Amino acid sequence: QKEVEQNSGPLSVPEGAIASLNCTYSDRGSQSFFWYRQYSGKSPELIMSIYSNGDKEDGRFTAQLNKASQYVSLLIRDSQPSDSATYLCAVKLDGGYNKLIFGAGTRLAVHP
Amino acid sequence: EAGVTQFPSHSVIEKGQTVTLRCDPISGHDNLYWYRRVMGKEIKFLLHFVKESKQDESGMPNNRFLAERTGGTYSTLKVQPAELEDSGVYFCASSQVVSGTDTQYFGPGTRLTVL
Repeated sequence: QKEVEQNSGPLSVPEGAIASLNCTYSDRGSQSFFWYRQYSGKSPELIMSIYSNGDKEDGRFTAQLNKASQYVSLLIRDSQPSDSATYLCAVKLDGGYNKLIFGAGTRLAVHP
Repeated sequence: EAGVTQFPSHSVIEKGQTVTLRCDPISGHDNLYWYRRVMGKEIKFLLHFVKESKQDESGMPNNRFLAERTGGTYSTLKVQPAELEDSGVYFCASSQVVSGTDTQYFGPGTRLTVL
């Protein structure tokens, strides 16, 4: 079992719709959760971080964390073609470990 | 403020040769990380520096990989001798802990191809 799992996609949504990206993780010691966006050939760019159960909203983005079920999700409202990218879920364990453990990413395609 | 920079952006070498990758972190960031993404796989952690000290090198695949961060500024990652399976994109990230949070900022990566 992979430590962080994501559906590879592609997830195709029409412009203006809500895109829902999901991620599950295996280690209950995971404490910090991140969503990075990566355009093809570019560096991963942090778009959301979440540390406690519940929802966290930032503009069109909402991250949701459920530690009991070991999943974290990212909702993108009013999706735009410019949101088309690969979205990487990453977790950080407790215990002083700073390394990020990444999922393989979900490719999102927003079509006009 | 300049972001994380990496050099070169691409490198093509033959099996058995040596390659050195360089990473310049964001100025003032004590934490520097190396990650690697091989084709079709997820980004994987290689190692973590705090200033010039190796904090965690649990992800280094073998002793053909040597990372240094002399003076606690830029870092180099040397692969010697390179093997075919070393091909991939090598990312560097840096961070500084602020108010208990540690956001890692990534560089553009170095795409390494070993022929």
